[in-house]
Amino acid sequence: DAGVTQSPTHLIKTRGQQVTLRCSPKSGHDTVSWYQQALGQGPQFIFQYYEEEERQRGNFPDRFSGHQFPNYSSELNVNALLLGDSALYLCASRLWGTGGAGELFFGEGSRLTVL
Amino acid sequence: KQEVTQIPAALSVPEGENLVLNCSFTDSAIYNLQWFRQDPGKGLTSLLLIQSSQREQTSGRLNASLDKSSGRSTLYIAASQPGDSATYLCAAIMDSNYQLIWGAGTKLIIKP
Repeated sequence: DAGVTQSPTHLIKTRGQQVTLRCSPKSGHDTVSWYQQALGQGPQFIFQYYEEEERQRGNFPDRFSGHQFPNYSSELNVNALLLGDSALYLCASRLWGTGGAGELFFGEGSRLTVL
Repeated sequence: KQEVTQIPAALSVPEGENLVLNCSFTDSAIYNLQWFRQDPGKGLTSLLLIQSSQREQTSGRLNASLDKSSGRSTLYIAASQPGDSATYLCAAIMDSNYQLIWGAGTKLIIKP
């Protein structure tokens, strides 16, 4: 049973550049959410996708955008990178409609460093 | 506004001890609560999910309890092992859309 997979695992960018991170959900899951985790802190919710639409969004600027594909995989795009965007970006998946009965499963994350 | 607090921020104990990690939340109207483990530089591994109608969940040496009225959840680890060393995070799930509010975590070190 394939879990949540993310790519790339590590990447380095410079300020002002753009980055795309990718996520494939756990087999059988149809909902993907993205989180940003700074060192020593809990994850911060960026947004959640279901049926190729953004369903919820956290307190992140429009520089952060996403997409979900028909196969449920997802991308996170960040434009005009700032030093403060350096973080571990986590993707999580679940099955929509299970409400609180469905657990959230996370990938290993993509470590972004902005220089 | 929901806030989730985990105390202590760090804990170091000898191997074999039983220990309790605490998670408190300010808004008792949570949907569910989930405990996760995170190894350094890694993603999050789900440990236990407690639905609002439940009072506790058990998995192996782990037991998590939920008391909504007091705004508390505890994670009990029995017979701790060095492999249990990690950061443990709790997340309050606020609604069926899975809006999660996270604690900052408790960094646990089990000394051999």
